[in-house]
Amino acid sequence: KQEVTQIPAALSVPEGENLVLNCSFTDSAIYNLQWFRQDPGKGLTSLLLIQSSQREQTSGRLNASLDKSSGRSTLYIAASQPGDSATYLCAVRAGSSNTGKLIFGQGTTLQVKP
Amino acid sequence: DAGITQSPRYKITETGRQVTLMCHQTWSHSYMFWYRQDLGHGLRLIYYSAAADITDKGEVPDGYVVSRSKTENFPLTLESATRSQTSVYFCASSEPGQGNQPQHFGDGTRLSIL
Repeated sequence: KQEVTQIPAALSVPEGENLVLNCSFTDSAIYNLQWFRQDPGKGLTSLLLIQSSQREQTSGRLNASLDKSSGRSTLYIAASQPGDSATYLCAVRAGSSNTGKLIFGQGTTLQVKP
Repeated sequence: DAGITQSPRYKITETGRQVTLMCHQTWSHSYMFWYRQDLGHGLRLIYYSAAADITDKGEVPDGYVVSRSKTENFPLTLESATRSQTSVYFCASSEPGQGNQPQHFGDGTRLSIL
């Protein structure tokens, strides 16, 4: 059974710092991996999606990497800002099925202090 | 506006009552999903649908019923609500694609069962 783990559960950093959020999964047979952002009381916003054949994706100050063989993904946030404060979730789309089902980690809650 | 709309945003009801959560998407995406989000469990898949009139169980389907008579709507019904079903419910949609289609989420319904 696929399990997704995110460490740490919470992180507090000063503004301007570069940071890395970690995601690990137990079964390397994934279709893709997606990083989401969730603000309090809101739904999930898709940040980056990495297909199983890719190693990384970039969007602005965000860079996500994927190492399937080791079951790991990282989300790198450059020059963090207070507006980046949110919970970040990673999710894997398991196996080769095209059903689109996602398995989520429990998230890392990020606080960026001014 | 295009997107996913969930209603109601907040609902309080009593044990034993039937309650239906609505989800409407304007993209004509094939796939739709229902998740529940709980502290300590993260996001878990309840049901999903690959197309109109095609639905299947997710990880935690017991006590829930879904239907999909139209592509754009995917209601979730709690037939006889229990306190353990107090949660935040999210609807999502996506195209199947070839591993490059992200899931898009609504803002959620916060359901309290007394």
